[in-house]
Amino acid sequence: KAGVTQTPRYLIKTRGQQVTLSCSPISGHRSVSWYQQTPGQGLQFLFEYFSETQRNKGNFPGRFSGRQFSNSRSEMNVSTLELGDSALYLCASRSSGVANTGELFFGEGSRLTVL
Amino acid sequence: GQQLNQSPQSMFIQEGEDVSMNCTSSSIFNTWLWYKQDPGEGPVLLIALYKAGELTSNGRLTAQFGITRKDSFLNISASIPSDVGIYFCAGWDSGGSNYKLTFGKGTLLTVNP
Repeated sequence: KAGVTQTPRYLIKTRGQQVTLSCSPISGHRSVSWYQQTPGQGLQFLFEYFSETQRNKGNFPGRFSGRQFSNSRSEMNVSTLELGDSALYLCASRSSGVANTGELFFGEGSRLTVL
Repeated sequence: GQQLNQSPQSMFIQEGEDVSMNCTSSSIFNTWLWYKQDPGEGPVLLIALYKAGELTSNGRLTAQFGITRKDSFLNISASIPSDVGIYFCAGWDSGGSNYKLTFGKGTLLTVNP
């Protein structure tokens, strides 16, 4: 079955703009998590959504937000972009309930460059 | 918060050599995961471990869930050039929330042909 799909793969924005990234999880997976990856900080957890509800959040400012739709697809938004927001944004999905093995499957990421 | 220390940070080896890397945690994990990430791509799950002492193989890769549940090891035998990449360990805590996966900083592996 298809893996986690993220769009767009690459994008360039300027400071002050906002950006929306999209993620389609593996079919049947209802949990979607977002991570920010930078060379200096590694993989940093942003938030997790399950059944359209955010159930956990990392230590990021309010400029970072997300949502999940009824079909489990998720979007994350970053407003008022800063240079430091340049990173690879990774989406990951996992199964839930009795089928939950804890295995997280990642998409290929969206590479954001802020100029 | 939880701390997950992964070592070594980087390795430069010759093709054919064996590789070992490990992760230690400040708290108990109930699941350990090992990932490999190629440049510009997302991490790919290599091996998942579910109970203390478990030893699991995936081709030339072998991983173990430490008895104390605070550590895990990954070994790669007879390395080849395509093993190049960053290897991450990750663990789910046993605190019941099970909502957040903690990642190590990664081990950068370079294989010299």
